[in-house]
Amino acid sequence: GAVVSQHPSRVICKSGTSVKIECRSLDFQATTMFWYRQFPKQSLMLMATSNEGSKATYEQGVEKDKFLINHASLTLSTLTVTSAHPEDSSFYICSARVDRTAYEQYFGPGTRLTVT
Amino acid sequence: AQTVTQSQPEMSVQEAETVTLSCTYDTSESDYYLFWYKQPPSRQMILVIRQEAYKQQNATENRFSVNFQKAAKSFSLKISDSQLGDAAMYFCACFGNEKLTFGTGTRLTIIP
Repeated sequence: GAVVSQHPSRVICKSGTSVKIECRSLDFQATTMFWYRQFPKQSLMLMATSNEGSKATYEQGVEKDKFLINHASLTLSTLTVTSAHPEDSSFYICSARVDRTAYEQYFGPGTRLTVT
Repeated sequence: AQTVTQSQPEMSVQEAETVTLSCTYDTSESDYYLFWYKQPPSRQMILVIRQEAYKQQNATENRFSVNFQKAAKSFSLKISDSQLGDAAMYFCACFGNEKLTFGTGTRLTIIP
């Protein structure tokens, strides 16, 4: 149980375009989902926390107008990278937890974004 | 603010031997949880072991065990009988104040 999927697994887009990444909890309802970014050979950095039905909470230094997060249902959160630039190229990972009292997060397999 | 420090960027161990990965953390939270995650080349994060900070007993999961020293804020991972499949990046992480903070990782190589 506790499977999280991400789609797409890889995406290449041109500079200036927008790209949407989906994160789904397949066998549980996730009240909270998290989005992380991982640069090559580096650690995971939390970008934002999204709670179903409310606005996402962004970490300091993360542009909320550039990284739009929507958590419209208990099984789906989306991250849209708007007006992407080459420096946005990275590995994006989502995670989900069952409820607000749970501390364990279940991770998706990640999405590699390349902006040309 | 929460910080997690892994001072060993790389470690190697002979197959079947034991290796210990170090981790120290700092948090102002009284209620927090500690984790070790494994990230193989596929990049999928895999939970190796978890420790609730309020528990004194060290967690164990088969060949994996931790040495949790709360006063010293230390949380090391011991892998016994190392196997080729254990080769990966290992991240120590602390969950507190609704956030999971990761260390910089240790790349573990298994020598056949």
